[in-house]
Amino acid sequence: DIQMTQSPSSLSASVGDRVTITCRASQSISSHLNWYQQKPGKAPKVLIYAASIVQSGDPSRFSGSGSGTDFTLTISSLQPEDFATYYCQQSYTTPYSFGQGTKLEIK
Amino acid sequence: QVQLQESGPGLVKPSETLSLTCTVSGGSISSGNYYWSWIRQPAGKGLEWIGRVYTRGDTNYNPSLKSRVTMSVDTSKNQVSLKLTSVTAADTAMYYCARERRLGSNNWFDPWGQGTLVTVSS
Repeated sequence: DIQMTQSPSSLSASVGDRVTITCRASQSISSHLNWYQQKPGKAPKVLIYAASIVQSGDPSRFSGSGSGTDFTLTISSLQPEDFATYYCQQSYTTPYSFGQGTKLEIK
Repeated sequence: QVQLQESGPGLVKPSETLSLTCTVSGGSISSGNYYWSWIRQPAGKGLEWIGRVYTRGDTNYNPSLKSRVTMSVDTSKNQVSLKLTSVTAADTAMYYCARERRLGSNNWFDPWGQGTLVTVSS
């Protein structure tokens, strides 16, 4: 099975900050990497798929990059509604697997 | 647009079978060739993929749960179902269903249902 490791596990930042979250796969997954945002009490929703394609309707301040084993999610200028937990997920092969999550909190 | 809604008992006794249904609205489950996944999340923890069922009935299960999981599709009711046998407290979680979308060889979960909380307790 492919293990996904995110860092950091938690992060405190301020509105307007640039934030980067990293995700590492235990083996190459090409570009089969998705990012989800989850707010308290809500289901996750996809932000980025295929490593770098921003979901339609999501703000352009979100971007994704990487291929192989190392990936990043960047938020260029944090907004109040961005404080949430973020998960990466590999869709290269089943069983699909998620990172442990990164909780983004207000400083 | 397609919407998903999970339903089922919120409380299941240990050693019994957890049965959940995901009702799809806004489109026919058989009109597209989609995989439908079940994903769970214990309170305060991360996400675990349980498995998926194809519109035509093919399945893939997480090996960690494979011996206890059955998924199926009922096209007449526009529903996907999950059965998990011999449950323990470790199966207590929010259970989500999600559709798998595809672009070329890439796929991702969208949309998700709102989730249903299942507690395993006597």
